[in-house]
Amino acid sequence: EPEVTQTPSHQVTQMGQEVILRCVPISNHLYFYWYRQILGQKVEFLVSFYNNEISEKSEIFDDQFSVERPDGSNFTLKIRSTKLEDSAMYFCALGGVAPTYEQYFGPGTRLTVT
Amino acid sequence: QKEVEQDPGPLSVPEGAIVSLNCTYSNSAFQYFMWYRQYSRKGPELLMYTYSSGNKEDGRFTAQVDKSSKYISLFIRDSQPSDSATYLCAMSPLGGAQKLVFGQGTRLTINP
Repeated sequence: EPEVTQTPSHQVTQMGQEVILRCVPISNHLYFYWYRQILGQKVEFLVSFYNNEISEKSEIFDDQFSVERPDGSNFTLKIRSTKLEDSAMYFCALGGVAPTYEQYFGPGTRLTVT
Repeated sequence: QKEVEQDPGPLSVPEGAIVSLNCTYSNSAFQYFMWYRQYSRKGPELLMYTYSSGNKEDGRFTAQVDKSSKYISLFIRDSQPSDSATYLCAMSPLGGAQKLVFGQGTRLTINP
C-alpha cells in the first residue's frame, strides 16, 4: 500500500489569504488526486492530476484553486484567496493504476478559515 | 436522485455480531467499487476493492456487488470494538485517473 504524508496537519488562515497544502508520496506514482470533506459531509472530488497535467476537475475546483508538482515529488494544492466555506479536511490520494485502480488516501490537512 | 446513497446511521451493534453496510447508486457506468474505513478526522483507509459484479472476501470482511440492482454491500463478521468507525462506499466509472464518488458514510459502533 502506498504511503502518503500531508503537511501541514492543521492550517488556520484568515479569509482572503493564500494557502498551500502539500502532499508527499513515499513512492513514485502517476496519478494524484485532491479530495475535500467538509465536517459532517461526504468526501468530494476536487481534481485529478496525471503526467503533470490536470485530467479532470470538479465544479468546486474553480479559478481560486490550482495544483502542481513543483519539484517532481511534492504535489501541492493552492487556494489563492480563501473563503470561510473552504474550511474542510483536504485529502491527497494516489493510485488509480491498472489493473486495480485503487486509490490510497493521505492523513489529510485540516484547513480552518476564520 | 443522488449518484451514491448510503444510510448515515448511526448503527450500533454488540461485539461479535454480523454487520451489513450498504450503498445504492444510480450511475450504471460505475465499474469499480471500494469500501473505506475512516476514523474521526483521519484519512479514509482502503478496506476492500471490487471490480464489476460478484463477491470478494478478505478475513472478516466480504464485499458484494450487484450491478443489476445497483447495490453494493460490505459484511463484517465477528465484529470487534476496533471496527467502530465510519464506513464509506466509493465508486468510479473507469480505471485510470478517474474520480471516486463517495457515499455519505455510515457511522458504526461495536459495543463490547
